[in-house]
Amino acid sequence: NAGVTQTPKFRVLKTGQSMTLLCAQDMNHEYMYWYRQDPGMGLRLIHYSVGEGTTAKGEVPDGYNVSRLKKQNFLLGLESAAPSQTSVYFCASRQSTYEQYFGPGTRLTVT
Amino acid sequence: DQQVKQNSPSLSVQEGRISILNCDYTNSMFDYFLWYKKYPAEGPTFLISISSIKDKNEDGRFTVFLNKSAKHLSLHIVPSQPGDSAVYFCAASALGNTGKLIFGQGTTLQVKP
Repeated sequence: NAGVTQTPKFRVLKTGQSMTLLCAQDMNHEYMYWYRQDPGMGLRLIHYSVGEGTTAKGEVPDGYNVSRLKKQNFLLGLESAAPSQTSVYFCASRQSTYEQYFGPGTRLTVT
Repeated sequence: DQQVKQNSPSLSVQEGRISILNCDYTNSMFDYFLWYKKYPAEGPTFLISISSIKDKNEDGRFTVFLNKSAKHLSLHIVPSQPGDSAVYFCAASALGNTGKLIFGQGTTLQVKP
């Protein structure tokens, strides 16, 4: 039982490049979330999903897209990376309780 | 606007003493509050939570207090241990089935041996 896993762990992109971050959970959770963490700002919600095939915008969605084609996977895409998207990205999932379970994070640097 | 605030970026306490981490919120619709603990290079892990219908919840060395009238919650760790050194985030959620969490900025706790 791996819980929530994220791929890759680290990535360096040049401005304008694109990439996809993968989140996978093996707990059969309905809800999945993508956050970014920046110094002094806590975790901010980017996008979330309340079930397979659904997505919705969070607090800071601009510059990101998501897809939830399979219940266990939640993908976060950056179509044209910008230095402002340098951050640590966390994926989380939950079922019926409020507690969310987080992955180990992806550290992204955009130069 | 920051709906959940942790005004102390850092806290240092001696091993064996009490650690008190504070959190303030502005949205009266929040009905559930959580504390997460985060070590460097790891994801946050759930620590303890409290529903808005309660004013206290205890789990071993960890106790969370909620003062709804003041829109304030606090996490007490007694006794503090060096392994408790981490960043602590408070988070809040409002009624509804999306379960979105609003996080505070975090407080870095250092417990000195």
